[in-house]
Amino acid sequence: DTEVTQTPKHLVMGMTNKKSLKCEQHMGHRAMYWYKQKAKKPPELMFVYSYEKLSINESVPSRFSPECPNSSLLNLHLHALQPEDSALYLCASSPLDMGFWETQYFGPGTRLLVL
Amino acid sequence: KQEVTQIPAALSVPEGENLVLNCSFTDSAIYNLQWFRQDPGKGLTSLLLIQSSQREQTSGRLNASLDKSSGRSTLYIAASQPGDSATYLCAVKYGNKLVFGAGTILRVKS
Repeated sequence: DTEVTQTPKHLVMGMTNKKSLKCEQHMGHRAMYWYKQKAKKPPELMFVYSYEKLSINESVPSRFSPECPNSSLLNLHLHALQPEDSALYLCASSPLDMGFWETQYFGPGTRLLVL
Repeated sequence: KQEVTQIPAALSVPEGENLVLNCSFTDSAIYNLQWFRQDPGKGLTSLLLIQSSQREQTSGRLNASLDKSSGRSTLYIAASQPGDSATYLCAVKYGNKLVFGAGTILRVKS
């Protein structure tokens, strides 16, 4: 299995809702990432988990709450979002043992619309 | 600040043309540089990865070069096809982070 899966593909939520995005990989990778991508912009890093511990938080608002229950699974819990949070949310994973050859494998993304 | 810039922002070419996409970066202390392809509303597909000590990598009709000292990379696409139409993103790896350029939107007309 050489892919990163993300569910759901699309999500519409109100500003008072609580929802979660899910990301899964079965490649034995030890790092997982959340990115946010607005239309016609490059992906922006939000969080990095290394060995199931949060290692990077790029000053993301607390209405986004990441969780890494195990080495294969990464969640992003959403609460009280704003319309400007509407974007494509990308998950990625990487092995952490490839040195200069280290690359990230991206999932297809979850398209989020906040009304 | 680590910044990645891509030129041009958009490119439209007739089928069969050879083309060059450019990427520049401000901090030369890189681990590697990757070129990704992104179709509209989709995830990223890695095309080529060049390690910091390498000068170029080739895969099929794609060739990527890296000049770390000048902070530049180019992606060369030979004999372009309509199926090559997509956004091409350059990403530079610093430690455990990827810093992306804004991308080049490529349209190949049949």
